[in-house]
Amino acid sequence: DTEVTQTPKHLVMGMTNKKSLKCEQHMGHRAMYWYKQKAKKPPELMFVYSYEKLSINESVPSRFSPECPNSSLLNLHLHALQPEDSALYLCASSPPGQPQETQYFGPGTRLLVL
Amino acid sequence: DAKTTQPNSMESNEEEPVHLPCNHSTISGTDYIHWYRQLPSQGPEYVIHGLTSNVNNRMASLAIAEDRKSSTLILHRATLRDAAVYYCILRDWAGNQFYFGTGTSLTVIP
Repeated sequence: DTEVTQTPKHLVMGMTNKKSLKCEQHMGHRAMYWYKQKAKKPPELMFVYSYEKLSINESVPSRFSPECPNSSLLNLHLHALQPEDSALYLCASSPPGQPQETQYFGPGTRLLVL
Repeated sequence: DAKTTQPNSMESNEEEPVHLPCNHSTISGTDYIHWYRQLPSQGPEYVIHGLTSNVNNRMASLAIAEDRKSSTLILHRATLRDAAVYYCILRDWAGNQFYFGTGTSLTVIP
């Protein structure tokens, strides 16, 4: 099974809402990633978890809060977002620390902040 | 982190070969060169990767310059399903940082 699943597929939220994005993989990968992709732009790395510990935070605002409760699951908690945070949020996984390994991406959650 | 530069867009006729170039002049000796593509409304998917030698797989070939400052992704016979944005990415020795370049949007003309 080489699939990374993400839920929900679409999400609309107001600026005062709290919501969460979920990502799951069962490939035994111990590195998991969150990316943000605006329209017609490349994905931008947000967070990296390695062995369930946060190893990279690309200066992401605190209104985005990642969580890795176990080796298969990655969450992104959203609170007090701004309209400019509307984007496609992609999750990915790979074996950690091995640059020759493939990174597997989920289909993304399309977020609209009103 | 090293950067890559790619042309914004390219066109190809169906069933013709396509050569997608990438410049990575600041590559370090331990960086792997990865190519991914993103079809419309999907997440990126792996195409091919290499370190120093040219590589072939069922999807494509990767030609790496001798000085490793550039590489070319070769699709041997473009199909309509190959229309996508192709990203050239350098992945460092630690492997955990994965920075996308601007990508090349490939249009395949029937």
